Amino acid sequence: AQKITQTQPGMFVQEKEAVTLDCTYDTSDPSYGLFWYKQPSSGEMIFLIYQGSYDQQNATEGRYSLNFQKARKSANLVISASQLGDSAMYFCAMRPIQGAQKLVFGQGTRLTINP
Amino acid sequence: KAGVTQTPRYLIKTRGQQVTLSCSPISGHRSVSWYQQTPGQGLQFLFEYFSETQRNKGNFPGRFSGRQFSNSRSEMNVSTLELGDSALYLCASGAATDQETQYFGPGTRLLVL
Repeated sequence: AQKITQTQPGMFVQEKEAVTLDCTYDTSDPSYGLFWYKQPSSGEMIFLIYQGSYDQQNATEGRYSLNFQKARKSANLVISASQLGDSAMYFCAMRPIQGAQKLVFGQGTRLTINP
Repeated sequence: KAGVTQTPRYLIKTRGQQVTLSCSPISGHRSVSWYQQTPGQGLQFLFEYFSETQRNKGNFPGRFSGRQFSNSRSEMNVSTLELGDSALYLCASGAATDQETQYFGPGTRLLVL
């Protein structure tokens, strides 16, 4: 079974600061993918970044980077130079690399960016 | 390329009724997954369809069912609605390769009275 844990229910950050959202996971699958999604109040889940368990380098997508520490089973999301529009719920998720595309989600972190 | 579309966006039903939600995936994507999101349970996987076949199913009662058509469009049906079925239902579209990510639609907000 797979499990995702996000220990920060809410975070408050000043605009332009960097922020790290924590995510730890547990799985018995030999290879897996880790995802981060952003969910604004409108409800749509917006894909941010993906990291494969076999990837040697941490994934980056613009202002988003994923700090992947396989031995510690952590996949933290780092947002650099935060903006007001970054205020939203953020979900960490995972699924096996092979097989059905079933995502397991964490409980999410509500990020609020203050001006 | 158009994104994932879901219809309707909002729905109000009463207990005991049934409802059908629709999802059109990104062009070329053959996998469609459905998720239920509630404040209490968070995001939970309902089922996934790939090439018209259910490939995986979550832990939901038989009142929840789905299907996929030859054009990859998918529908999910909930019969005998209960108050607890009030939720945001999200559909996700994926390509054929396992390494691809899944892209979500805007969701359907269902309220059961």
